Amino acid sequence: AQKVTQAQTEISVVEKEDVTLDCVYETRDTTYYLFWYKQPPSGELVFLIRRNSFDEQNEISGRYSWNFQKSTSSFNFTITASQVVDSAVYFCALSASGNTPLVFGKGTRLSVIA
Amino acid sequence: EAQVTQNPRYLITVTGKKLTVTCSQNMNHEYMSWYRQDPGLGLRQIYYSMNVEVTDKGDVPEGYKVSRKEKRNFPLILESPSPNQTSLYFCASSDRGRTWTPLHFGNGTRLTVT
Repeated sequence: AQKVTQAQTEISVVEKEDVTLDCVYETRDTTYYLFWYKQPPSGELVFLIRRNSFDEQNEISGRYSWNFQKSTSSFNFTITASQVVDSAVYFCALSASGNTPLVFGKGTRLSVIA
Repeated sequence: EAQVTQNPRYLITVTGKKLTVTCSQNMNHEYMSWYRQDPGLGLRQIYYSMNVEVTDKGDVPEGYKVSRKEKRNFPLILESPSPNQTSLYFCASSDRGRTWTPLHFGNGTRLTVT
């Protein structure tokens, strides 16, 4: 069975602080894909990143960075110098290869206060 | 423009009155899925479809039906809605191919059953 755990239900930070959102996953497959999605207050779901299990390189995109560690089954997401517009619910998701559908974590609600 | 279109965006109905939420994608995607989002529970999959005429239950299929007669459409049917089906529903699609491409989500349907 596949499972994604986002232990942080809600996080509140002051603008310009750095914040890390945790994601821990479980799967028996050796080939799998990890995703992060953002859901701003407007409600739509926005794709942020996909990472496959063979690529453990960290990725940086502007103020966003992702740390993938297979040894701890984690795929954490860091926002540097947070801004109010980063306020959203963030979902981590997992998909194994083959016919396994995508499984989402329960999400972390991030509030960035000005 | 590549998109997943859900209709309606908002729907208020009464217990027992059959309803259908439509979902259509214009990207020729093989994979389509329905999720419901509830506070504290994240996104839970209702049904998914790997291709035309192929549908499978997700985590919370009770009380729902789907069909996939054409590649582009994947309607969600509630034969006899109940108040516990009040939720925010998302349809999504992706291109299966060799890897799982990111899901494209519709804008959501907020359903209230009284």
